[in-house]
Amino acid sequence: SQQGEEDPQALSIQEGENATMNCSYKTSINNLQWYRQNSGRGLVHLILIRSNEREKHSGRLRVTLDTSKKSSSLLITASRAADTASYFCAANSGGSNYKLTFGKGTLLTVNP
Amino acid sequence: DAGITQSPRHKVTETGTPVTLRCHQTENHRYMYWYRQDPGHGLRLIHYSYGVKDTDKGEVSDGYSVSRSKTEDFLLTLESATSSQTSVYFCAARSVGSVPREQYFGPGTRLTVT
Repeated sequence: SQQGEEDPQALSIQEGENATMNCSYKTSINNLQWYRQNSGRGLVHLILIRSNEREKHSGRLRVTLDTSKKSSSLLITASRAADTASYFCAANSGGSNYKLTFGKGTLLTVNP
Repeated sequence: DAGITQSPRHKVTETGTPVTLRCHQTENHRYMYWYRQDPGHGLRLIHYSYGVKDTDKGEVSDGYSVSRSKTEDFLLTLESATSSQTSVYFCAARSVGSVPREQYFGPGTRLTVT
């Protein structure tokens, strides 16, 4: 079963605008990760937030985590056409095998 | 792609034939994973390995087997391919550490079963 569920499924914005994607998960987590996938390519890790963290920044990315609501959000500020991609959240529920459970993804289109 | 390659990158095969996909990594990662990606489902874990000759099932393992005889290679076999196994297959790997780490992904293999 899917651990993470992203919302919205698709998002279209203009260059320079901010993009916010949300993720909900079902069970307790050790950490939550966000990945990006350009069309026809593999996934690339963006940012990881641990269960005891509430917010994390990396460049134009801001991730928040609310463990009481079992949800996370990814904010991309000042978006660029090159940010066009699918974005996935992935939950790590702990355990020794470091398995990730991925959501279905949000397709972000940034129009020039 | 963080030193992870997959072969073949594209394959068309017929129903009932065996198929083996190969994942090769050069970073000595201990853990390796096979996922399939389908529209509307995101990525789902098929099998994973936590060391040479140590493997276990993921959430969609039926119809698939894996082998890992060397640290650098993780093979995924479809014993008798079915049309429902048409998908894009991704391999991933990660290392062990005291801090949480990401997985590194290969470029994917697009498999079509006719």
